This record gives sequence, structure tokens and C-alpha cells, in this order.
Amino acid sequence: GAGVSQSPSNKVTEKGKDVELRCDPISGHTALYWYRQRLGQGLEFLIYFQGNSAPDKSGLPSDRFSAERTGESVSTLTIQRTQQEDSAVYLCASSLVGGGNTEAFFGQGTRLTVV
Amino acid sequence: QQQVKQSPQSLIVQKGGISIINCAYENTAFDYFPWYQQFPGKGPALLIAIRPDVSEKKEGRFTISFNKSAKQFSLHIMDSQPGDSATYFCAASMAGANNLFFGTGTRLTVIP
Repeated sequence: GAGVSQSPSNKVTEKGKDVELRCDPISGHTALYWYRQRLGQGLEFLIYFQGNSAPDKSGLPSDRFSAERTGESVSTLTIQRTQQEDSAVYLCASSLVGGGNTEAFFGQGTRLTVV
Repeated sequence: QQQVKQSPQSLIVQKGGISIINCAYENTAFDYFPWYQQFPGKGPALLIAIRPDVSEKKEGRFTISFNKSAKQFSLHIMDSQPGDSATYFCAASMAGANNLFFGTGTRLTVIP
């Protein structure tokens, strides 16, 4: 596709339920990132995928969070047993080559609301 | 621990004025300093970026000023327009890092 695509755009879930967020990166981009954006705050790094290397999971806030990526394609971020503090916009980005000092292209995000 | 500190949190500027947003960092290993622009309901988009080998970079009405000794960098928007109203994030990263470290954002409103 032309840009990074995320789905759903909005998700309302009940506390304790599991949710799955999807990211379709730009075709040909080897690197994929997930960030979390809480209201009024900056972007918080969650996880990084680069090709077939082991992902950098250092930003995941708890073991309720996990993510997968199939090759250099789609990624899913899963949050188990959601809590109200998980409410945020989850942003996915991709870049042609990996690393923090390259241009990252962001999707529009998934707004997650836990009630 | 906030690696990049950004101010102000919000900014209101008259059309035609200069908007200035400031960021500071501590990690001297940072060597890439981008600014991202985010409109409501959209993801952030790269606006302009600088590396520490230069003290200033200009692209159209947007200028980054970089002060390596003070560990500060700023975004200047000249002749600000209502269409510039958005949230601006500074960020920093370095070779070997897998992610960007973002500031907390500045909501800019340009009034006609």
C-alpha cells in the first residue's frame, strides 16, 4: 500500500478482555516499530522488528503485551487482560532500513479505550 | 525517565508570527534529531531532521537550530499559518539504537 495501514482505527473493549491490533507496513520496509501515545504525552517505544532478527521487546510495559511479525509483512500487537491504563493510541511505523536514526513512516494509529 | 524534554506544552501564535519550540537532551550519544508534525487523527510525519555536524538546517519556513554544547535544539516556524496548527514532537536517536526517543509534544495553534 501507499502508507502504513492500521486496523481497527478505534477499539473499545471491556477491562479484562484481550485485544489484537494490526499493522500493515509499507511494502519493502524491513523495519517495523510499535509506539504508544497516551493522552498529552509523547510517543513511548514498545517493540521493534528488523527483518528476521529477534525483536527488541525492551519497551513492552508488561508481559500482557506481545507482538508478532510475519517476515517483513503484517504485524499484530496483542494486549491480554486489558486494564484501563492501557487506554492510548497505538502507533505503528515502518522504515526502509532499521534503526532509530532513519526516517520512520507512521500509520494513523489505533485508539484503544478500555472501559 | 524522559530522555528528551520539550517546551512549551502549548503555543498560540498569530498568523505571520514566528513559532519557536525548544527541546533539550542529556545523552551525548544522540546524533539524529528529527521533528515530527501530527495533525488530529493522523500519525506523526517527519517534518525536518538534523545531525550534529551542522548548527542549523532550513527547509522552507521551517528551521532547526542546534546547539551541541548546550544539548539543545529548537524548531522555528517562520510566517506561521493556520495550516501549521498541529502537535509537534521533537525526537532523538543514535547509531545502534532501535527507536526514537520522543519529547512530550507541543500543541501549536496559529490564529488568523
